[in-house]
Amino acid sequence: GAGVSQSPSNKVTEKGKDVELRCDPISGHTALYWYRQSLGQGLEFLIYFQGNSAPDKSGLPSDRFSAERTGGSVSTLTIQRTQQEDSAVYLCASSRVGGDNEQFFGPGTRLTVL
Amino acid sequence: GQQVMQIPQYQHVQEGEDFTTYCNSSTTLSNIQWYKQRPGGHPVFLIQLVKSGEVKKQKRLTFQFGEAKKNSSLHITATQTTDVGTYFCAGEVAGANSKLTFGKGITLSVRP
Repeated sequence: GAGVSQSPSNKVTEKGKDVELRCDPISGHTALYWYRQSLGQGLEFLIYFQGNSAPDKSGLPSDRFSAERTGGSVSTLTIQRTQQEDSAVYLCASSRVGGDNEQFFGPGTRLTVL
Repeated sequence: GQQVMQIPQYQHVQEGEDFTTYCNSSTTLSNIQWYKQRPGGHPVFLIQLVKSGEVKKQKRLTFQFGEAKKNSSLHITATQTTDVGTYFCAGEVAGANSKLTFGKGITLSVRP
């Protein structure tokens, strides 16, 4: 595909359940970001992968959140024991590194925790 | 850590008025980018500024990078209802593993 894709587009889960969100970046993009956006709010940085470097996990709000990026491509964000305050849109973005490093965002996954 | 600040968070203008917003960084940036997010959409890249004092124009939008490369501005001439949305700036600090840091954004509403 030409852009960043994310799945599922919507996820409704019960409090306490685990969820996995997937991001397929643009082929060849070595940088990948996860953000969280609550309704009417800005982008909350969660985690940053860049090539073979150790991921920057400084934005993860708690140890219930984790992310992996396999083979430098697909990434999965996992939220364990979901809470109602985890409800938000989770956005993934990818980019090249270097001069032309604009971020391309996926459509997001809307997570609702009941 | 690096901070990119956008204040205020919301601004309301009458259609046809000009609009200017600012972005300030706590550290010198190697480049700064601007994004627009329409209601219900995801952020979309608008422009990147790299050089000190650089000015770029896109139709009614004018972007400027400060001389010290620590601040930037976005100016919209004669706003239209299509300008509605949230505008984010994002800065990259040299040596920070190419990581972009986003500001909180400013949400612009335009009264017709």
